[in-house]
Amino acid sequence: GENVEQHPSTLSVQEGDSAVIKCTYSDSASNYFPWYKQELGKRPQLIIDIRSNVGEKKDQRIAVTLNKTAKHFSLHITETQPEDSAVYFCAALWLFNDYKLSFGAGTTVTVRA
Amino acid sequence: NAGVTQTPKFRVLKTGQSMTLLCAQDMNHEYMYWYRQDPGMGLRLIHYSVGEGTTAKGEVPDGYNVSRLKKQNFLLGLESAAPSQTSVYFCASNNEVDSPLHFGNGTRLTVT
Repeated sequence: GENVEQHPSTLSVQEGDSAVIKCTYSDSASNYFPWYKQELGKRPQLIIDIRSNVGEKKDQRIAVTLNKTAKHFSLHITETQPEDSAVYFCAALWLFNDYKLSFGAGTTVTVRA
Repeated sequence: NAGVTQTPKFRVLKTGQSMTLLCAQDMNHEYMYWYRQDPGMGLRLIHYSVGEGTTAKGEVPDGYNVSRLKKQNFLLGLESAAPSQTSVYFCASNNEVDSPLHFGNGTRLTVT
């Protein structure tokens, strides 16, 4: 199946600075790459996603970039705020074997005031 | 519109006991999933369903069984609980395989 590696596992940033999380995937056939945010004690929720036919997508302070050749995609959060503190998960959709999402292990982001 | 509802929210089991976790969605979604979440391991797929009456194995299916007798419900069963099954379990659903997953609030299970 798809193998998704996520780095770093923890990230501490000063409020107002940027945060970048990177994921790599193994299956070149993957075509859908969502990012989920999970606040402490809550359910994961989708924050942004990208498909293989585009290289970048932006939504206010968050953006995702995709490099299909290198098989990696990244989440960028600009002007970080305390409410950005959470665990972030990347995922990749494996086209074969009934289309199952594979998740990275997660990145715990802490925004210091 | 409640979305995805999981019951129970918490449960403590002794080794060898059995239980069923219930997931219900009111969005008429075709696809439903059961994940387990453990520290440092992300979300791992246990079983999933692509429609009423269907089930399939995910990454970590051993020790679990599922049923999807009705489109809106997806049940996860533990026949003989083991301490290794201590985890937080999330149910999720979506209408297309590449559409956003809607998660339930999770069930925290402890097996002693």
